[in-house]
Amino acid sequence: DGGITQSPKYLFRKEGQNVTLSCEQNLNHDAMYWYRQDPGQGLRLIYYSQIVNDFQKGDIAEGYSVSREKKESFPLTVTSAQKNPTAFYLCASYGGGYQPQHFGDGTRLSIL
Amino acid sequence: AQTVTQSQPEMSVQEAETVTLSCTYDTSESDYYLFWYKQPPSRQMILVIRQEAYKQQNATENRFSVNFQKAAKSFSLKISDSQLGDAAMYFCAYRPLYTNTGNQFYFGTGTSLTVIP
Repeated sequence: DGGITQSPKYLFRKEGQNVTLSCEQNLNHDAMYWYRQDPGQGLRLIYYSQIVNDFQKGDIAEGYSVSREKKESFPLTVTSAQKNPTAFYLCASYGGGYQPQHFGDGTRLSIL
Repeated sequence: AQTVTQSQPEMSVQEAETVTLSCTYDTSESDYYLFWYKQPPSRQMILVIRQEAYKQQNATENRFSVNFQKAAKSFSLKISDSQLGDAAMYFCAYRPLYTNTGNQFYFGTGTSLTVIP
């Protein structure tokens, strides 16, 4: 079955450390997205990519970085510049037209 | 700016009753898509229902239906015969058909639905 795989499910970051969240899709979708979700809140867009080797900042890109070297993969790095990284992170993809976004199961990031 | 507003942070419904969640959006576009997603405690985002703006007929998926009022920019979700498994956070989302900002989706802040046995 096609879908989006996010890993790991849980991740802990030490102070001053960069961590990378993985997102892989086998839906053959061009567009991919990263969202941050804080407790009881909605989804805030961090970065999105419409095509390989291209990506755009979303509303809260500071302290995060991404790459899109392959169509299937869109990893998110949470850098040490992100002072409040504790949140739930969702990756999504979109295949165009009337289709909805498809979401992974998320990664919960916590500070040690 | 394109914004989606869900004015009810929390709602509750008695099991087997009907509940309506509200959503309004702000746009100058005439062609767009609207979606309702459900996020249960597992945190999975599950598509509930979707609507194309050019279609006047309201979408229906089993116990879930929408009331789409284009002029009022309103897209409410009605859940009939509520079940315990309907308890979740519900998000309304909007995507313009044509945009110069890429294929962005705009989400509301969500409504937390409690189902009372």
